[in-house]
Amino acid sequence: AQTVTQSQPEMSVQEAETVTLSCTYDTSENNYYLFWYKQPPSRQMILVIRQEAYKQQNATENRFSVNFQKAAKSFSLKISDSQLGDTAMYFCAFMKHSQAGTALIFGKGTTLSVSS
Amino acid sequence: NAGVTQTPKFQVLKTGQSMTLQCAQDMNHNSMYWYRQDPGMGLRLIYYSASEGTTDKGEVPNGYNVSRLNKREFSLRLESAAPSQTSVYFCASSDHPFTYEQYFGPGTRLTVT
Repeated sequence: AQTVTQSQPEMSVQEAETVTLSCTYDTSENNYYLFWYKQPPSRQMILVIRQEAYKQQNATENRFSVNFQKAAKSFSLKISDSQLGDTAMYFCAFMKHSQAGTALIFGKGTTLSVSS
Repeated sequence: NAGVTQTPKFQVLKTGQSMTLQCAQDMNHNSMYWYRQDPGMGLRLIYYSASEGTTDKGEVPNGYNVSRLNKREFSLRLESAAPSQTSVYFCASSDHPFTYEQYFGPGTRLTVT
């Protein structure tokens, strides 16, 4: 069974600093997608970034980038120039495939606090 | 374009009562999903529907039923609510197999006393 592990329940960082959130996953599939979602206090789930496993190049979206290590099954999120609005819970997710369709498997989340 | 909408936003039930959570999307997506989120846990999949007319169980389906009424709507029913079903419920949709991004609704906070 696929699993997603986020080993850091909470992290804190100051504005303008860089922070890295860790995620590891377990799968026997070769082609898959990985995602980072952000959940601010409003509770809305917001897609931050996604990575296709067949792509060797790490995905980037403005201040957000990933370090995807396929052999190690590691998918960390780096947030550069942290802002107060980055305060949220961050979830790593793996897209699993089955005959019935696709679905996301989520990690338990990392609560990130950005302070001034 | 409202995206994914859910009703109600909040609900309090007594043990044994039944209710239906409604979800609708206006993005013409094929796939729809129901997740629950408990404190200290990530989102866990309850049921999903890959396309109109099909549904399948996820990780935690016990105590729930679903209906994919049409392409837009996917409802989640609790027949006899239990305190263990106190949670925040999220509906999501995606246009799989074209992209795999899931778009989430705002969530429903359900409390069962």
